[in-house]
Amino acid sequence: ETGVTQTPRHLVMGMTNKKSLKCEQHLGHNAMYWYKQSAKKPLELMFVYSLEERVENNSVPSRFSPECPNSSHLFLHLHTLQPEDSALYLCASSQDLASGRGETQYFGPGTRLLVL
Amino acid sequence: DQQVKQNSPSLSVQEGRISILNCDYTNSMFDYFLWYKKYPAEGPTFLISISSIKDKNEDGRFTVFLNKSAKHLSLHIVPSQPGDSAVYFCAASVGAGNMLTFGGGTRLMVKP
Repeated sequence: ETGVTQTPRHLVMGMTNKKSLKCEQHLGHNAMYWYKQSAKKPLELMFVYSLEERVENNSVPSRFSPECPNSSHLFLHLHTLQPEDSALYLCASSQDLASGRGETQYFGPGTRLLVL
Repeated sequence: DQQVKQNSPSLSVQEGRISILNCDYTNSMFDYFLWYKKYPAEGPTFLISISSIKDKNEDGRFTVFLNKSAKHLSLHIVPSQPGDSAVYFCAASVGAGNMLTFGGGTRLMVKP
């Protein structure tokens, strides 16, 4: 596999469920990102990790819990979500957090999440 | 409050004609601007960028124009091709680094 992969691609969950989204990058990058794209809204940056340390948390509710066990993997743990959390969740990676400009950010295909 | 706005949710253009996608921003600290392209079931991919020290950047059929005084940038695609049909996102950043603020996207449809 090359690039940035995300699993699952689609997920339906109830409000009381606990699930996890997985992101893996095969590019040797040191920074990874979670974005949320809701219908008719811009991509919103949720979390940023650099060298496995969280460096940004954009006021995301605690029902979203990120985990970066190593520089190649990023998880987003979900629990007690609300229907308004239904969205496309995109993972991205870049060589470093401040290696240059945005063109070095590579996105995965996303996980389409539906919360019932 | 959205700092980067794409006011046209969709645009339809005939093949061979020019496509013009617009983006406005409010944060005067933004000094680097990017366009990403997204096909269905795929993540966004980088298309073209421009630094605030320039007012134009060209790459093949794609040209980005920046008007700092108006806080406005645009992406021109000439000639448009059916394969250009996708959602285009405008993004901006402050200083070095990869913290991007995105617009809501414009869906471009190029008709054969």
